Amino acid sequence: NAGVTQTPKFQVLKTGQSMTLQCAQDMNHEYMSWYRQDPGMGLRLIHYSVGAGITDQGEVPNGYNVSRSTTEDFPLRLLSAAPSQTSVYFCASRDRGGTEAFFGQGTRLTVV
Amino acid sequence: SQQGEEDPQALSIQEGENATMNCSYKTSINNLQWYRQNSGRGLVHLILIRSNEREKHSGRLRVTLDTSKKSSSLLITASRAADTASYFCATDKLTDSWGKLQFGAGTQVVVTP
Repeated sequence: NAGVTQTPKFQVLKTGQSMTLQCAQDMNHEYMSWYRQDPGMGLRLIHYSVGAGITDQGEVPNGYNVSRSTTEDFPLRLLSAAPSQTSVYFCASRDRGGTEAFFGQGTRLTVV
Repeated sequence: SQQGEEDPQALSIQEGENATMNCSYKTSINNLQWYRQNSGRGLVHLILIRSNEREKHSGRLRVTLDTSKKSSSLLITASRAADTASYFCATDKLTDSWGKLQFGAGTQVVVTP
């Protein structure tokens, strides 16, 4: 039981490049979310999903796309990377009913 | 805007002392949770308190919730160097789906031997 797995752990992109951050969970959780963490600002919600085929925007969705074709996977796509997207990205999953969230180890992204 | 705000932003104590941090939030909630983050790692769930509960304990942790004041506190008793971490409160708003857990900016705690 691996929990929530994020890849890659580190990534450097050039401005304008695109990439996909991967997130997979093996707990059969319905709810999955992407957050970004910047110094002094805590975690801000980018996108979330309440089940396969259903996604919605969070607090800071601009510049990011998501899809949820399976229960297990919730990839985050950066369409055209900008320096403002330099951050640490966390994926989380949780079961229904307001239970605890399980987090991946994070992806540290630098856009130059 | 963030739902939860922690206070203080940073806290420095010695081993054996108690650490108290507070969280205030803005709208009605289903529950409030506390998480710990060690440097460079993901968040780990510590404790959850539901809106109809006033106090909860888990080992050296004590959480209180005052829904009339929209605030919560986390007390860590007899702190250890291993408690050095950032602590975040998170809320499930009453009107949001379970996918929208919202976090505060965190309290950075340093416990010195």
